[in-house]
Amino acid sequence: NAGVTQTPKFQVLKTGQSMTLQCAQDMNHNSMYWYRQDPGMGLRLIYYSASEGTTDKGEVPNGYNVSRLNKREFSLRLESAAPSQTSVYFCASSGSGGINYGYTFGSGTRLTVV
Amino acid sequence: GQQLNQSPQSMFIQEGEDVSMNCTSSSIFNTWLWYKQDPGEGPVLLIALYKAGELTSNGRLTAQFGITRKDSFLNISASIPSDVGIYFCAGRYGNQFYFGTGTSLTVIP
Repeated sequence: NAGVTQTPKFQVLKTGQSMTLQCAQDMNHNSMYWYRQDPGMGLRLIYYSASEGTTDKGEVPNGYNVSRLNKREFSLRLESAAPSQTSVYFCASSGSGGINYGYTFGSGTRLTVV
Repeated sequence: GQQLNQSPQSMFIQEGEDVSMNCTSSSIFNTWLWYKQDPGEGPVLLIALYKAGELTSNGRLTAQFGITRKDSFLNISASIPSDVGIYFCAGRYGNQFYFGTGTSLTVIP
């Protein structure tokens, strides 16, 4: 099925380790997003990419970097993981009709930093 | 970022009952969306609202875009066990959507 694919689904890191979360969409969407979800906090935007070649900070960008590799792929990197980055991470994309049609989300990456 | 207050935070209801939840903001939004998240999955779009006062249905779900453009409401009629999950509102402000903190719905058979 077409949609947004995230890898890995689960990850445990030690404090200070680095990792990259991968996201790919096959809907030919221009815009892609990374959110984190924490209990009681809802979804908070980390970074987004309005189009290929551009990236912008969201609400909670500190400790993260992103790369829009091409139109399909948008990766999120944690250079030095901290326990505060324990969360569920969602990638999303918005359609060719514009963001007013909402986002399509991946199934999430559950990250634990110990 | 924009703050969206979603209530109630959680609901426990009997199968067959109707459900109401709402989302409010201090800012005016241009678009309101309602999503449902099943356990272990990403949110899935249920209903999109684009105009103040708009009332839109999707099966047993009905959502309204508040007249003030600062709130939105979601109703679920005749709840069934598969309605269980977390319901999120999202409002568009500028080029971004901001999400509420979610309403967790439990349906007791």
